[in-house]
Amino acid sequence: GENVEQHPSTLSVQEGDSAVIKCTYSDSASNYFPWYKQELGKGPQLIIDIRSNVGEKKDQRIAVTLNKTAKHFSLHITETQPEDSAVYFCAAPLRGGADGLTFGKGTHLIIQP
Amino acid sequence: KAGVTQTPRYLIKTRGQQVTLSCSPISGHRSVSWYQQTPGQGLQFLFEYFSETQRNKGNFPGRFSGRQFSNSRSEMNVSTLELGDSALYLCASRTSGGRETQYFGPGTRLLVL
Repeated sequence: GENVEQHPSTLSVQEGDSAVIKCTYSDSASNYFPWYKQELGKGPQLIIDIRSNVGEKKDQRIAVTLNKTAKHFSLHITETQPEDSAVYFCAAPLRGGADGLTFGKGTHLIIQP
Repeated sequence: KAGVTQTPRYLIKTRGQQVTLSCSPISGHRSVSWYQQTPGQGLQFLFEYFSETQRNKGNFPGRFSGRQFSNSRSEMNVSTLELGDSALYLCASRTSGGRETQYFGPGTRLLVL
C-alpha cells in the first residue's frame, strides 16, 4: 500500500513570510495528491490538489509542486496571514488510483504576529 | 449545496457498548468514506461505500462496520467499544470515485470511558 511521510510536524513562521511543507510517497502509481487544512473543531478542508500530469498548480497564495521522479510533493504558502494557522495534511490514494486516501501525519503551522 | 453532515457531533460511551454514527453526503454524491483520526495514528481510512456496496476496507478489526442506504446516507457501527476507539470519526463524500475530491464533514467526537 501507499505510505506518505510529511515534514515538518510543526512550522512557525512570521506573518508575511512563506511556509513550505513537504511530503514523500512510496507508490509510483499514485496519481492524485490533495492537501487539506484542518482548523480546531472542524473536519479537513481541501485547499488545493495536483494530479500527476502536471508539475505545479497555483491558487492565489497557495501552490503545490510535484516531482514524480523523486516521489515528493510540496505545499507553498506565500504572504502568510494569521488565518493560515492550522494543521495541514498531505494525502495520496490508498492504492495508487482510487478508493480512499492515506494521509501524512500533519504539520501544525503557526503564524507569529 | 449543503456540505457533508454528521450526527451526533459528540458522543460518550463506556467500554463494551456499541455505537452508531451517521453521515449524510453532499447531494448527488454517491461515494462515502469513513476515517478515524487520533493524535497518535493520525487520519486512517476505515472503509468506503459506493451505491450501497463496500468497495474498500482499511486495516481495522471486524468490530468496525458500516453500511450505505439507497439515498447514499451512510452509517458506521463500532461494537464492543474499547478505550482506544476514542477518536474523531470523519465522513467524506465524493461524486463517484477515482481521483475526485473528497469533501469532509465536521466529524463525530467519540469518547469511550
